[in-house]
Amino acid sequence: GAVVSQHPSRVICKSGTSVKIECRSLDFQATTMFWYRQFPKQSLMLMATSNEGSKATYEQGVEKDKFLINHASLTLSTLTVTSAHPEDSSFYICSARPGPEGNTEAFFGQGTRLTVV
Amino acid sequence: AQSVTQLGSHVSVSEGALVLLRCNYSSSVPPYLFWYVQYPNQGLQLLLKYTSAATLVKGINGFEAEFKKSETSFHLTKPSAHMSDAAEYFCAVKLKAAGNKLTFGGGTRVLVKP
Repeated sequence: GAVVSQHPSRVICKSGTSVKIECRSLDFQATTMFWYRQFPKQSLMLMATSNEGSKATYEQGVEKDKFLINHASLTLSTLTVTSAHPEDSSFYICSARPGPEGNTEAFFGQGTRLTVV
Repeated sequence: AQSVTQLGSHVSVSEGALVLLRCNYSSSVPPYLFWYVQYPNQGLQLLLKYTSAATLVKGINGFEAEFKKSETSFHLTKPSAHMSDAAEYFCAVKLKAAGNKLTFGGGTRVLVKP
């Protein structure tokens, strides 16, 4: 299957700083990318949908000013957690979809473990 | 609205025994259905998907799932569990009417006993 690379895999940052997470589709162009958050022993919760060249669509309850998403190219989307706090500590996972809709499969990155101290 | 329920947050099976993970969906029209596996500190890997073709879907690693519209179910099975099957499994549903966004079930953690 197609490969989605997420970087970094782990990051520890101080409270109040910002952290950027990258999601790259390595062998296909991704018109749409998704960002999820997963708390320990829980399921994935969709945070936002990112379409190349347009503003991201955030799910209800997700602060767009805190979780900045940029999808500047067809192979790269970034999630920036601004002014991070310990409650932002979580596992963040991206996925990328090569096709527009329907049964097009989305491929997942390996996730980023964020720890805010 | 679409939703998906996984019955049982934990399942324990013996090596060589049948693995059965239950998934029921709620949707007014048959959705696309997926099963994913997640190993610790990793992303999700697609096991199989149902996209309105054959109702019995075969996936990777010996897994298969059967779509049953009358029961609104998409249960995942594997005839003989292997130690490497120990992981978290997620059922997911996607509907065009819901913007083609994946909605995940709560997950089922599989423990394989030797």
